[in-house]
Amino acid sequence: KQEVTQIPAALSVPEGENLVLNCSFTDSAIYNLQWFRQDPGKGLTSLLLIQSSQREQTSGRLNASLDKSSGRSTLYIAASQPGDSATYLCAVRNPDFGNEKLTFGTGTRLTIIP
Amino acid sequence: DAGVIQSPRHEVTEMGQEVTLRCKPISGHNSLFWYRQTMMRGLELLIYFNNNVPIDDSGMPEDRFSAKMPNASFSTLKIQPSEPRDSAVYFCASSLRQSSYNSPLHFGNGTRLTVT
Repeated sequence: KQEVTQIPAALSVPEGENLVLNCSFTDSAIYNLQWFRQDPGKGLTSLLLIQSSQREQTSGRLNASLDKSSGRSTLYIAASQPGDSATYLCAVRNPDFGNEKLTFGTGTRLTIIP
Repeated sequence: DAGVIQSPRHEVTEMGQEVTLRCKPISGHNSLFWYRQTMMRGLELLIYFNNNVPIDDSGMPEDRFSAKMPNASFSTLKIQPSEPRDSAVYFCASSLRQSSYNSPLHFGNGTRLTVT
């Protein structure tokens, strides 16, 4: 059974700093890994999707990497801003029944201090 | 595109009452998912549909829960009878199922259910 872990559960950093969020998974046979952002009282917003054949994906100040063999992914946020404060979740898609299931981590709550 | 639309945003009901949550997926998406989020258990997949057909309902906690998708633009999740432990935020999400399985998932804003 796939298990996804995100450590730490919460992180506070001063505005302007670069930061890295971590995600690890136990079963490396994945189709892809997705990073989401969740604001309070809102649903999840997809940030980046990395296919199993890719090593990284970039979108603006965000860069996600994937090391499938070691079961790890990182989300790098450059030049952090207060608007980046949110909970960040990673999720992996396995070749499971129907190939549609995502297994989510419990998230890292990020606070950017102005 | 209006995104995934869920209603109601908040629902407060008494134990034993029937609760119906509604979802309109993004137009053109052919996969629809119902998730439940709690502090203790995080995000749990309850059921998902592909082309309006339920594919996997192994996450549905009990027979009190049922879900339907009568057409491509509408789905319901029903709890009957509701219990306090059903209190959670229920999310609907949709995606375009492709052969590569690399389509991102789009979430609605959720329904916060409180059962007293």
